[in-house]
Amino acid sequence: ILNVEQSPQSLHVQEGDSTNFTCSFPSSNFYALHWYRWETAKSPEALFVMTLNGDEKKKGRISATLNTKEGYSYLYIKGSQPEDSATYLCAFSPPNTGNQFYFGTGTSLTVIP
Amino acid sequence: SQTIHQWPATLVQPVGSPLSLECTVEGTSNPNLYWYRQAAGRGLQLLFYSVGIGQISSEVPQNLSASRPQDRQFILSSKKLLLSDSGFYLCAWTWLRTDTQYFGPGTRLTVL
Repeated sequence: ILNVEQSPQSLHVQEGDSTNFTCSFPSSNFYALHWYRWETAKSPEALFVMTLNGDEKKKGRISATLNTKEGYSYLYIKGSQPEDSATYLCAFSPPNTGNQFYFGTGTSLTVIP
Repeated sequence: SQTIHQWPATLVQPVGSPLSLECTVEGTSNPNLYWYRQAAGRGLQLLFYSVGIGQISSEVPQNLSASRPQDRQFILSSKKLLLSDSGFYLCAWTWLRTDTQYFGPGTRLTVL
């Protein structure tokens, strides 16, 4: 079982604040890194998949960066809105597997109006 | 378009009873299929994955088992449930390597 860590575990921010979370993963055996958004009572929703060192992806106010050499990815949310409240999961995929994902425990974000 | 179904949505079972959770995918062929569990206060844990009919790989030793009797059907089973089997079970599928995994709606299992 591969160790994927996310921090912080939970976060409360005011509406309009920008915020970021961290995902750490094994740097020695990398294939892909995925970010998901998981709202209560819904299925996890894919945000980004990144495969190359230095990758940057953006979707509206949400963006992500990837550093495979040091084994971390950041997720940024600019100008947080109440609808951004959710748990944000990252998943690491090593090579030579059946596309297995190893998930972190997630960062729970609450945006206070 | 592809859709993934899971049932039942919720289940309350006594300790020692059997379990069968079903997952089916529509709109694609030969998908990779996955079972995950989220126990209370924990992250998503990969339980089983399958790259084809009858091919099952287990990530974590436990009293659960999985089967893939048809290309787009994935079943999670147990002969005797334990209290520790309580949790939220998610099925997911993917097709191409590095592609996103798409999740079903999940099953909330409570073992009493």
